[in-house]
Amino acid sequence: DAKTTQPNSMESNEEEPVHLPCNHSTISGTDYIHWYRQLPSQGPEYVIHGLTSNVNNRMASLAIAEDRKSSTLILHRATLRDAAVYYCILTGAGSYQLTFGKGTKLSVIP
Amino acid sequence: DTGVSQNPRHKITKRGQNVTFRCDPISEHNRLYWYRQTLGQGPEFLTYFQNEAQLEKSRLLSDRFSAERPKGSFSTLEIQRTEQGDSAMYLCASSSYRTANTEAFFGQGTRLTVV
Repeated sequence: DAKTTQPNSMESNEEEPVHLPCNHSTISGTDYIHWYRQLPSQGPEYVIHGLTSNVNNRMASLAIAEDRKSSTLILHRATLRDAAVYYCILTGAGSYQLTFGKGTKLSVIP
Repeated sequence: DTGVSQNPRHKITKRGQNVTFRCDPISEHNRLYWYRQTLGQGPEFLTYFQNEAQLEKSRLLSDRFSAERPKGSFSTLEIQRTEQGDSAMYLCASSSYRTANTEAFFGQGTRLTVV
């Protein structure tokens, strides 16, 4: 699977938008972009995924660059419950295995 | 359905002992995965089942590790002759073949401490 690069940590003020970046310059044409998050003492939780187009769901939005070499997870209004490690993961078509990196630790300041 | 269930949540064992963990996936999910997570790292893939068939094993899964999913429902992960390096969080996840490349649901994990 292609590799992703994320900042080690980020901070956000509560109720402000958060933009979490991910670089994946070696992405192939059939790779999906997934985001998971892991709250303290919990298993990872699916957030969102996409292939080429931007995606929205109740948790977040995923903005994918036109060349697909980077993407941004957008939390529209950060809450204290959003403090977690966020993982950006690429998977090939038909792949079932998730390859986690170290992710970005998001701290939310009240 | 309460999601993916793992038991026990915590296990402390002496080096050299055998341990077994259980995972109950979401009932309609035919795919089941085991991952291991050490402190400060992301989860690492260990093995994957589709129904009762174990289709892939990571090289991380040494001969001391064995996983089963006998009837395509719950799964067990056994570690024989535990070592201190086996101390980690063991995570189970499940997904449906209908949603390949989308959402995997994780349990809360079993934290193993080998003393």
